[in-house]
Amino acid sequence: NAGVTQTPKFQVLKTGQSMTLQCAQDMNHEYMSWYRQDPGMGLRLIHYSVGAGITDQGEVPNGYNVSRSTTEDFPLRLLSAAPSQTSVYFCASTPWDREGEAFFGQGTRLTVV
Amino acid sequence: RKEVEQDPGPFNVPEGATVAFNCTYSNSASQSFFWYRQDCRKEPKLLMSVYSSGNEDGRFTAQLNRASQYISLLIRDSKLSDSATYLCVVYGSSNTGKLIFGQGTTLQVKP
Repeated sequence: NAGVTQTPKFQVLKTGQSMTLQCAQDMNHEYMSWYRQDPGMGLRLIHYSVGAGITDQGEVPNGYNVSRSTTEDFPLRLLSAAPSQTSVYFCASTPWDREGEAFFGQGTRLTVV
Repeated sequence: RKEVEQDPGPFNVPEGATVAFNCTYSNSASQSFFWYRQDCRKEPKLLMSVYSSGNEDGRFTAQLNRASQYISLLIRDSKLSDSATYLCVVYGSSNTGKLIFGQGTTLQVKP
């Protein structure tokens, strides 16, 4: 049982490049979310999903897209990377019956130069 | 004003000390509250839920004061291994999985 798996763990992008951060969970959780963590800011919600085919915006969605075609996968796309998107990104999944108990992936450290 | 506010610290305490962290939240309609722990450069992990009646898990005690919109975490007999960042978390909306995080309070326990 791998839990929540994020890839890659580290990434350096040039300004304007696009990329997809992968997230997969094997716990059959309904809810999945993407957060970014910046120094002194805590974790801020980017996008979330309550099930396959359903996504919605969080607090800081600009510059990011998501899709949820299956229960297991919830990729995050950076459309045109900017230095302001340098951050640590965490994906999380949550079971519907324990809504506060989020399981996080190990994070992706992204640097945009 | 942030929805969830914590004193970022750092709190530097000796082993064996008792330390308390506080957190305030702005949405009076919030239903569920939690403390998460995050070790340096690692992912956050659930430490404990917070109930109105208060709850205890070993050396850790969490309290909720709905009238004051205030959550606390008390750690007794601090260990070196308790050094971490403690995140106050409020469940934002039912049936969404959305969590709202405070900025975290850093604890450093010294020998």
